[in-house]
Amino acid sequence: SQTIHQWPATLVQPVGSPLSLECTVEGTSNPNLYWYRQAAGRGLQLLFYSVGIGQISSEVPQNLSASRPQDRQFILSSKKLLLSDSGFYLCAWSVGRVGDNEQFFGPGTRLTVL
Amino acid sequence: QQQVKQSPQSLIVQKGGISIINCAYENTAFDYFPWYQQFPGKGPALLIAIRPDVSEKKEGRFTISFNKSAKQFSLHIMDSQPGDSATYFCAAKETSGSRLTFGEGTQLTVNP
Repeated sequence: SQTIHQWPATLVQPVGSPLSLECTVEGTSNPNLYWYRQAAGRGLQLLFYSVGIGQISSEVPQNLSASRPQDRQFILSSKKLLLSDSGFYLCAWSVGRVGDNEQFFGPGTRLTVL
Repeated sequence: QQQVKQSPQSLIVQKGGISIINCAYENTAFDYFPWYQQFPGKGPALLIAIRPDVSEKKEGRFTISFNKSAKQFSLHIMDSQPGDSATYFCAAKETSGSRLTFGEGTQLTVNP
């Protein structure tokens, strides 16, 4: 069966510090991978998605970046965090390019920037 | 640009009542419409989904009604239970793509 992992589960970082959030998927190959941010417990904002290794599409201009160094690994990074980067970060995966393409979400990372 | 509009933002229902959440879309290329349920501090989970070739889909107490001409779809939760209290998101996807466009979410509270 497929599982998705995110870590850390919670993170408190000072403004200006770097960020690295990791997401890994098990039990599937060549998944589509997604990073979302959710502010105030509402609204899912798509940040990045990837259809393959090294292929990253950015949805929202910001100080965040994403990388996919391996087939089932997706990393969200920042060189310098802003207060506005606080939120609940969710990684998701799906398979296929067309069709229903159900997305499965990870448990999320709660980021607080102070 | 918000392509999927969801209402209401919040909903309070008594136990045993019917919860109804509505979504409207603009992009006629959308052809897959899932609903996600999210509990506090957890990731969203797929609840039920529909394609526009049917007008209704039912799974247990959860029903999606779909009106293609009006470009609207709704989630009905029959016999609502306190355990249904969560945030619900509608979403839509184009056949040719892998991205979901989400509504803003509805926070449902079912009082005992």
